[in-house]
Amino acid sequence: DAGVIQSPRHEVTEMGQEVTLRCKPISGHDYLFWYRQTMMRGLELLIYFNNNVPIDDSGMPEDRFSAKMPNASFSTLKIQPSEPRDSAVYFCASSRTVGGEREKLFFGSGTQLSVL
Amino acid sequence: GDSVTQMEGPVTLSEEAFLTINCTYTATGYPSLFWYVQYPGEGLQLLLKATKADDKGSNKGFEATYRKETTSFHLEKGSVQVSDSAVYFCALSMGKAAGNKLTFGGGTRVLVKP
Repeated sequence: DAGVIQSPRHEVTEMGQEVTLRCKPISGHDYLFWYRQTMMRGLELLIYFNNNVPIDDSGMPEDRFSAKMPNASFSTLKIQPSEPRDSAVYFCASSRTVGGEREKLFFGSGTQLSVL
Repeated sequence: GDSVTQMEGPVTLSEEAFLTINCTYTATGYPSLFWYVQYPGEGLQLLLKATKADDKGSNKGFEATYRKETTSFHLEKGSVQVSDSAVYFCALSMGKAAGNKLTFGGGTRVLVKP
């Protein structure tokens, strides 16, 4: 398997623009997580899904952030409008609850977002 | 709520030195404990884990023992290499009941010099 795939790797945008981050989890994984990493706050869980259903979005900073998972192989994290304080590395991770390697999260390589 | 506290870095070592990174946790139940490693420009990778008290996780020369009495999960390696330079994250999970989500510590940057 190719692992968790995120795109784009880097995104530079101007304040006020819409940003969409994409994630393809590992096939067969039933959980998907979006994390944000900054120097100031470390790794923060934004939202996670189970079987494509959002379970906990309490970490989403504000209404400008939204996430969807239309099917088991694709998720998006959207920021509209973007602000400079949204600049961070955004990670997607997936895991499964049955079989081997339960509780092990597999992370993508992240999207480095810079909002100017 | 559940939380993880780990020593702040950076930790700078010479090759072949002994490495310890302290990690303590607060949880309402009995979590599983993890160490993840992040190499420059990459996502996090699982390094080792322990699922119950007194379990020892080990991988690539790293070890950590789940100490329930001290709520700790310190990471150790007897002889580090330059390739061990990375950021190390301690984390806990309350398992399926909490959606397998991980709560991370702040991370400890380790720099190993030749």
